[in-house]
Amino acid sequence: EAGVAQSPRYKIIEKRQSVAFWCNPISGHATLYWYQQILGQGPKLLIQFQNNGVVDDSQLPKDRFSAERLKGVDSTLKIQPAKLEDSAVYLCASSPVRGARYNEQFFGPGTRLTVL
Amino acid sequence: GENVEQHPSTLSVQEGDSAVIKCTYSDSASNYFPWYKQELGKGPQLIIDIRSNVGEKKDQRIAVTLNKTAKHFSLHITETQPEDSAVYFCAASRGGANNLFFGTGTRLTVIP
Repeated sequence: EAGVAQSPRYKIIEKRQSVAFWCNPISGHATLYWYQQILGQGPKLLIQFQNNGVVDDSQLPKDRFSAERLKGVDSTLKIQPAKLEDSAVYLCASSPVRGARYNEQFFGPGTRLTVL
Repeated sequence: GENVEQHPSTLSVQEGDSAVIKCTYSDSASNYFPWYKQELGKGPQLIIDIRSNVGEKKDQRIAVTLNKTAKHFSLHITETQPEDSAVYFCAASRGGANNLFFGTGTRLTVIP
């Protein structure tokens, strides 16, 4: 079974530029999450999708961050414009809604963003 | 919201010794407590989890205990091996695996 795929793996941009991250969840997983992991900290949930609907985006800085999951499969997370404090690893995770591993979150390798 | 504290931030043990990592949580409604292992350059991977209706769970060399009254839970790794070296995160949630709140992580180093 293929895992969660993310791209790019690394991105370096200057502040005020825009950036987008892509995530392809495990096939059949209805729930998709985006997390921000700042160096030395645990992951913090940004947004959660169930199929193509938003379940929780209470911690997403909506003035600069946006995310979509148009067809209920792949998802993109965008930052526009980026700030220095956005430097972090952005993790995507997915989970099934049924079966033995119901609600277990499977994480991708992440995208490391550096804002200069 | 939920606040999860994790200690220690770093832990070094000799190969074969045991390692214990402790977490406390603030939301008494939290009912799901997973532990994740994160290796360098990889995403976190679930290693064990426990729900609030259980006090202890064991899987080979790994065990987790939960004290709901005191609102703390712990990860125990016995007979540590060099491949156990990684960063370990605890987490808590009141909605199954949704809305996970993570601790700040423990960097475990197992010295051969």
